[in-house]
Amino acid sequence: DVKVTQSSRYLVKRTGEKVFLECVQDMDHENMFWYRQDPGLGLRLIYFSYDVKMKEKGDIPEGYSVSREKKERFSLILESASTNQTSMYLCASSSMGGRAEAFFGQGTRLTVV
Amino acid sequence: AQSVTQPDIHITVSEGASLELRCNYSYGATPYLFWYVQSPGQGLQLLLKYFSGDTLVQGIKGFEAEFKRSQSSFNLRKPSVHWSDAAEYFCAVGASSNTGKLIFGQGTTLQVKP
Repeated sequence: DVKVTQSSRYLVKRTGEKVFLECVQDMDHENMFWYRQDPGLGLRLIYFSYDVKMKEKGDIPEGYSVSREKKERFSLILESASTNQTSMYLCASSSMGGRAEAFFGQGTRLTVV
Repeated sequence: AQSVTQPDIHITVSEGASLELRCNYSYGATPYLFWYVQSPGQGLQLLLKYFSGDTLVQGIKGFEAEFKRSQSSFNLRKPSVHWSDAAEYFCAVGASSNTGKLIFGQGTTLQVKP
């Protein structure tokens, strides 16, 4: 069974803090993704990575950065958290190819106060 | 630009009734299409997918979807809904032939009445 594990289910952070969201997958997938989920907007891609140390911006990268030092781990970084980054964050992984199924973690609900 | 539209934000059906969730996409080439379900407090789970071939695809939990190129649609159906089907449903299109990026619709929340 593919497992994508996000380190926290719930996080509360203060405005201006640097925030790290961690994601680990156990299926040796090449691709990893960070999505943000907001009501009425569906899921929007923040960043994705197709190999170690490789990354590409998604549709809403502003205010975020990512790190992928090992194949199984993909971190999302909020450099200076703001209240408009309060959201549900979902990590996903997939093998190479556009037909590959994406497997999702359970999500991290981040609240910035 | 590629996009996915789910016209219905919220749908309520009675248990045992049939269900159809609508999805329209905009994509230049033959799309890779997916339906995912998200139960409360959970991540997304793949219900079914379409790449090519037979336009009626079967998925898990008794769901099916039909690809209609002429209507740019990929509607999800189930003949008889169960209370456990209450969840949020997302339609998605593969944004690239090789990276696995997905573009999601806004989601449809399904409520099931007893």
